[in-house]
Amino acid sequence: DAKTTQPNSMESNEEEPVHLPCNHSTISGTDYIHWYRQLPSQGPEYVIHGLTSNVNNRMASLAIAEDRKSSTLILHRATLRDAAVYYCILSDHGSGNTGKLIFGQGTTLQVKP
Amino acid sequence: NAGVTQTPKFQVLKTGQSMTLQCAQDMNHNSMYWYRQDPGMGLRLIYYSASEGTTDKGEVPNGYNVSRLNKREFSLRLESAAPSQTSVYFCASRGGSGYRPLRIGANVLTFGAGSRLTVL
Repeated sequence: DAKTTQPNSMESNEEEPVHLPCNHSTISGTDYIHWYRQLPSQGPEYVIHGLTSNVNNRMASLAIAEDRKSSTLILHRATLRDAAVYYCILSDHGSGNTGKLIFGQGTTLQVKP
Repeated sequence: NAGVTQTPKFQVLKTGQSMTLQCAQDMNHNSMYWYRQDPGMGLRLIYYSASEGTTDKGEVPNGYNVSRLNKREFSLRLESAAPSQTSVYFCASRGGSGYRPLRIGANVLTFGAGSRLTVL
């Protein structure tokens, strides 16, 4: 499974935008970029995913570099409830996709009031 | 619609004891997974079941066994618990938890609330 690199921690102020970076220089053509987050004392939850084009949903936006070697999760207005560990994960959708996800260390986001 | 239900939520064992963590999902998902999470770490995949009747090893399978009892249930067994197995265990199934269709390429796992296991 291709590896991702994320900063260990980031800080943001409430109601300001947050850009969470992820590097995945060894990404393959069939890898989808997924983002999950884990709130304190909870299981992870899906945030967003994409392949090549930028994606938006009600939770966040995903900006993918043209060469696909990096991506950025964008929270447009951080709230205190967004304080969590954010995981960037590559998911291979080649033949035999079993859906298993390999989690790294993630980025711990702190949001200050 | 309960999603993914794990039992028990908390358990304390002595070294050498055995126990089974139960997981059930009511979303008609085909694939199910067991992860463990040690303090300050990311999740690590123990075993998974891509479909009913199949199971495969993940990153850290040693010391564990699994059973895919039916489409709904996927259990994780510790035959002889060790202190190194102290962790929070998460079960997940593959698919969304709502009724909206998933976008192509989505690997959406729905996780349970976790089972906190302490081995003394």
